[in-house]
Amino acid sequence: AQSVTQPDIHITVSEGASLELRCNYSYGATPYLFWYVQSPGQGLQLLLKYFSGDTLVQGIKGFEAEFKRSQSSFNLRKPSVHWSDAAEYFCAVGAAGTASKLTFGTGTRLQVTL
Amino acid sequence: KAGVTQTPRYLIKTRGQQVTLSCSPISGHRSVSWYQQTPGQGLQFLFEYFSETQRNKGNFPGRFSGRQFSNSRSEMNVSTLELGDSALYLCASSLSTRGTGELFFGEGSRLTVL
Repeated sequence: AQSVTQPDIHITVSEGASLELRCNYSYGATPYLFWYVQSPGQGLQLLLKYFSGDTLVQGIKGFEAEFKRSQSSFNLRKPSVHWSDAAEYFCAVGAAGTASKLTFGTGTRLQVTL
Repeated sequence: KAGVTQTPRYLIKTRGQQVTLSCSPISGHRSVSWYQQTPGQGLQFLFEYFSETQRNKGNFPGRFSGRQFSNSRSEMNVSTLELGDSALYLCASSLSTRGTGELFFGEGSRLTVL
């Protein structure tokens, strides 16, 4: 069975500082990997996705993530955080052919201090 | 282009009642998925419908059911409500016909069971 681990429940960074959110997955084959962001009272918005190909993927809002098969990781990064990035971030894994059936991590809540 | 629309946004029910939630996908999207989000269990996949057929199903009891209409709109129903059913129910639509596309989420229906 597939699973996702986000080891950091809560992270606080200063505005302008760099950010890295960790995600480790467990899946037998090549996974479909996603990062979603959720603001309070809102649904989820897709930041970026990895299906195959280049292991460094670019997303919206200046986010990027790197797929490392050897480490089973898909960490999310942003070089300079803005106060509006404060939200909850979810990593998710899906399987080919059933990618609507996502397994989500427990989320990392990002707080940005001014 | 309108996004995924979920109704109602908020509702309160009592134990033993039933509830029906509605989801209108993005125009042209034929896949609709449902997720339950709770503080304790996080985001969990309920089921996915494609062309009026249930294509995937999560590990929820039979009290949770859904359907999809010919215009791709979907409803989910929870019968004999329990306190633990209190959650944010998220609907997501996808353009993909092979279950490999990205999901676009609505803002959710927040159900409170008293």
